[in-house]
Amino acid sequence: KAGVTQTPRYLIKTRGQQVTLSCSPISGHRSVSWYQQTPGQGLQFLFEYFSETQRNKGNFPGRFSGRQFSNSRSEMNVSTLELGDSALYLCASSLFGPSSYNEQFFGPGTRLTVL
Amino acid sequence: EDQVTQSPEALRLQEGESSSLNCSYTVSGLRGLFWYRQDPGKGPEFLFTLYSAGEEKEKERLKATLTKKESFLHITAPKPEDSATYLCAVQSQTGANSKLTFGKGITLSVRP
Repeated sequence: KAGVTQTPRYLIKTRGQQVTLSCSPISGHRSVSWYQQTPGQGLQFLFEYFSETQRNKGNFPGRFSGRQFSNSRSEMNVSTLELGDSALYLCASSLFGPSSYNEQFFGPGTRLTVL
Repeated sequence: EDQVTQSPEALRLQEGESSSLNCSYTVSGLRGLFWYRQDPGKGPEFLFTLYSAGEEKEKERLKATLTKKESFLHITAPKPEDSATYLCAVQSQTGANSKLTFGKGITLSVRP
C-alpha cells in the first residue's frame, strides 16, 4: 500500500510570493492534517481536513490556507511568503475523522526555503 | 492549553546501553498518546499508540509505557540504527473534534 505522498519535495521562493503544496493521503484515508516543522518550534499543527471540510485549525495567520478535494487529496497554500515561513511542511493522513482515535501517518514533507 | 515536554533534548548512548526517554504531558481529556521516530530529512514514522494509564506496547528493542502524567520510551540494548529523533504527541478532545500536540523531540545518538 502506497504511503502518503507530498509534492514537491523541495521549493525555493522569495519573500512576497505564494506557494501551493500538495498531499495525497494513503488510499482509503479520509482525513488530512498539515504541520509546520522548524528547529526552534518543533511540529506545529496547521489544520485538518475531513470530508472536504476544515475540522481543526492551529494558531497560524490567515496567509496559511488549505483545501481538500473529493478524492481526499489536499493542498496547502501560503500567500505573501515571509522569511520565517521557511520550514519542513508535513502532511499526515488518518483513516477516520478527528472525532475518533486515530493514528496519523506522515509523508516525507516539502522543504520550503524563502529567500 | 495542552502541553508536551520531552526530556532530555538529546541523548548519546553506547551501543548496548539501555535507557529511557521521557514524555510529560498536561492535557484535558487524553484520547491517546503517540510515539513517532523521525530520521533526518524524512517525515515521522509511527511507532506506538497508548490509550490508558498502565498500558504498555513493545516493538523490537522499544517499549512504551503510559501513566496519568507521563510516558516513557524504553530502549533496550540500542544499536546505531536506532539513532533518530523520537517524538511524542498527545491527542485531546476539543469540542466535537480532537487535536494532536507534539513535543519537540529527543535526539538519540547511539555510538558503535
